[in-house]
Amino acid sequence: KNQVEQSPQSLIILEGKNCTLQCNYTVSPFSNLRWYKQDTGRGPVSLTIMTFSENTKSNGRYTATLDADTKQSSLHITASQLSDSASYICVVSARSNSGYALNFGKGTSLLVTP
Amino acid sequence: DGGITQSPKYLFRKEGQNVTLSCEQNLNHDAMYWYRQDPGQGLRLIYYSQIVNDFQKGDIAEGYSVSREKKESFPLTVTSAQKNPTAFYLCASSIAGTGLRSEQYFGPGTRLTVT
Repeated sequence: KNQVEQSPQSLIILEGKNCTLQCNYTVSPFSNLRWYKQDTGRGPVSLTIMTFSENTKSNGRYTATLDADTKQSSLHITASQLSDSASYICVVSARSNSGYALNFGKGTSLLVTP
Repeated sequence: DGGITQSPKYLFRKEGQNVTLSCEQNLNHDAMYWYRQDPGQGLRLIYYSQIVNDFQKGDIAEGYSVSREKKESFPLTVTSAQKNPTAFYLCASSIAGTGLRSEQYFGPGTRLTVT
């Protein structure tokens, strides 16, 4: 069972609208949580990275939140643009015997339409 | 794509042939990684290397091999033993490991199609 669950699986919104993507995880012990944006056919690009003590982190129109108690994170996109159309991947890092392990969500596919 | 190059972008091979995917980085990162991405699935770790001349198996290493003779290079060979090699392959690097604040930078990917 995947330890990082993202919802919704896909989303279609109109240009200019806001949206929120969800990430729930069961990974433990938690180290940090990252959100990546992946354009079709390209490699993922980091948007934010948050540690246990950080509740929110912004990167332009992208704002990520983290509730380490409930093990939930969200990525809020404000005033969406056509270029926001991409897959958004939540990645949770956990400490392991060999160092750290990254646990990848399956991603949310976002389509922004004119 | 953060100083990581992968070549070629598209690769076609016949079943039964070994194929090597290139990954080069000029970020002076110690750690490098290979992931496989299939439609509707999260990235899965194939191999990783924390330092030159050392590498470790990831979650799905069977049918793959790697080498790390130089800090900048981490080629991946998809062997004929890999049962379902058609996929999108991503290479990444980081300063050291995947711990706190150790950001992974991804290459543009290679799409391998085996027929």
